[in-house]
Amino acid sequence: GAGVSQSPRYKVAKRGQDVALRCDPISGHVSLFWYQQALGQGPEFLTYFQNEAQLDKSGLPSDRFFAERPEGSVSTLKIQRTQQEDSAVYLCASRRLAGYTDTQYFGPGTRLTVL
Amino acid sequence: AQKVTQAQTEISVVEKEDVTLDCVYETRDTTYYLFWYKQPPSGELVFLIRRNSFDEQNEISGRYSWNFQKSTSSFNFTITASQVVDSAVYFCALMNGANNLFFGTGTRLTVIP
Repeated sequence: GAGVSQSPRYKVAKRGQDVALRCDPISGHVSLFWYQQALGQGPEFLTYFQNEAQLDKSGLPSDRFFAERPEGSVSTLKIQRTQQEDSAVYLCASRRLAGYTDTQYFGPGTRLTVL
Repeated sequence: AQKVTQAQTEISVVEKEDVTLDCVYETRDTTYYLFWYKQPPSGELVFLIRRNSFDEQNEISGRYSWNFQKSTSSFNFTITASQVVDSAVYFCALMNGANNLFFGTGTRLTVIP
């Protein structure tokens, strides 16, 4: 079956622009995660959804970052007034169950470059 | 606090050599899960294995094997008879009661033909 997909794969933004990154999880997966991966680093947690509910947003670096999953499937990560330090790969993952013991499956990521 | 350390930043081996990637973790929880993911140049994180803290049995899957030792808080990954297609960045990760994965900084493996 289809895996997690993300779009766009690459995004270049001028500093101050708003961007929206899309994630399509594996069909039927209850849980959805966003991670940020800086160059040469491991992914770092941003936020977690269970169905449409955002249960944890403790990793969002500032109030310029906003995520939603209104119908419990597709999710959008929005970054307002982008800054150069926002340049990174943004990874989405989905998990079949709500329980933390299940495995997260990742998409290919969106590489964001802020000029 | 949770922490995952992958001390090897980069490793290069010649094809058909065996290679071991080290992972050391820290957690105060008694129940936790450990993972290995592979990140090829395409960027997608590919799931390789998951182990829970109560199962210290080593596991072998084809050319891959994993050695989990709670006494040393290590979860090492060995590739036997490496191939060029094994070239990638490998991440070790920890999950406890929280819902997010804590990743190490990764080890870049290059297999030279």
